Amino acid sequence: SAVISQKPSRDICQRGTSLTIQCQVDSQVTMMFWYRQQPGQSLTLIATANQGSEATYESGFVIDKFPISRPNLTFSTLTVSNMSPEDSSIYLCSVGAGAVGSEQYFGPGTRLTVT
Amino acid sequence: QKEVEQNSGPLSVPEGAIASLNCTYSDRGSQSFFWYRQYSGKSPELIMSIYSNGDKEDGRFTAQLNKASQYVSLLIRDSQPSDSATYLCAVNAGGYQKVTFGIGTKLQVIP
Repeated sequence: SAVISQKPSRDICQRGTSLTIQCQVDSQVTMMFWYRQQPGQSLTLIATANQGSEATYESGFVIDKFPISRPNLTFSTLTVSNMSPEDSSIYLCSVGAGAVGSEQYFGPGTRLTVT
Repeated sequence: QKEVEQNSGPLSVPEGAIASLNCTYSDRGSQSFFWYRQYSGKSPELIMSIYSNGDKEDGRFTAQLNKASQYVSLLIRDSQPSDSATYLCAVNAGGYQKVTFGIGTKLQVIP
């Protein structure tokens, strides 16, 4: 499985500011995904990021709030813009892998607190 | 709305017992099924993948799939306190499709 790193591991941010989360993979992957996990809840997919194309956002998530970049096959960023306390969550990136491409492997996550 | 249903638990089992975790899914077109383990404060870790009906064993873990009943289960034999975690069931339609996660079942193994 791929080795995935995320930066920062945690941050405390002021309301109205933006934070960019980086996800780095040690091998080239076609698909990268960004999830949010709020306390006591399961994973919610924010968007799917393919290299060289616009990210595909899930219902309830918009590009203006969560812009994503995917400049190459090993790196992606997620920005959480104009933050509010409701954005406090763990943000996880994952990569698609495995023989059929559907297995997903997760980075360690970024714990975001908005005050 | 494609859904994956799990009992949130907690499921408590004594050390050495078999833990049985269950999951149902709504999309009959689902092709790939996964179990993830998530320790508190950590990210999910893939522990089992299953793609066809029947059982798949890996060490102390056995995944069971019944597509006709839209049912997936995970058995953990000889449960250890280190198995205490939340177990997430996940499903997708195959290939590079979206994976839908259940809420997870919290397992507590009592020494």
